[in-house]
Amino acid sequence: AQSVTQLDSQVPVFEEAPVELRCNYSSSVSVYLFWYVQYPNQGLQLLLKYLSGSTLVKGINGFEAEFNKSQTSFHLRKPSVHISDTAEYFCAVSSYGAGKSTFGDGTTLTVKP
Amino acid sequence: DTEVTQTPKHLVMGMTNKKSLKCEQHMGHRAMYWYKQKAKKPPELMFVYSYEKLSINESVPSRFSPECPNSSLLNLHLHALQPEDSALYLCASSQGVGTSGSRGDEQFFGPGTRLTVL
Repeated sequence: AQSVTQLDSQVPVFEEAPVELRCNYSSSVSVYLFWYVQYPNQGLQLLLKYLSGSTLVKGINGFEAEFNKSQTSFHLRKPSVHISDTAEYFCAVSSYGAGKSTFGDGTTLTVKP
Repeated sequence: DTEVTQTPKHLVMGMTNKKSLKCEQHMGHRAMYWYKQKAKKPPELMFVYSYEKLSINESVPSRFSPECPNSSLLNLHLHALQPEDSALYLCASSQGVGTSGSRGDEQFFGPGTRLTVL
């Protein structure tokens, strides 16, 4: 079985400040990890993914995430946020052969001017 | 073409109506998914098709009926829905269920159909 916990339901932050959105996962086998972003009234868009290899993963729009196997975490970071980053962010886990991804409950990132 | 398209964008239907949602992708993906998403909630998996066969049904009520006519198309037939079925319905596709290699199960999502049941 696989599960995902996003530790913060809402994260308010000022423009140009750094941000971290936290994600912990649980799985009995090797996993693939994803961060998706959803803007209002749109579908989900992949920000970045960890499949194997380097634990620091860089994605689109200046986001990056670090896979930490010992802490079973995959936190998303951005050094300086923009108003346009205001959106819902979902962490997801998938195990090889599972046939599906499990999503966290989401974190609402609100960037204030 | 890395796009998943969904039609219609919005749908309003009564509880006795029959309607269908459509999804299309031309990325050669062999897995396609239907999700239901309520406001401020994560997507909830409904069905997975793998190589045009239904591989996962997450105990979805029979008033929702999926269909995969070919590897590029996915339909969701709706009949006798309830007001609580109002939601955003998302379609997604991925390279293939359980494939190894660099893509894992990365899913490409469509923009969704906003369904309102009166």
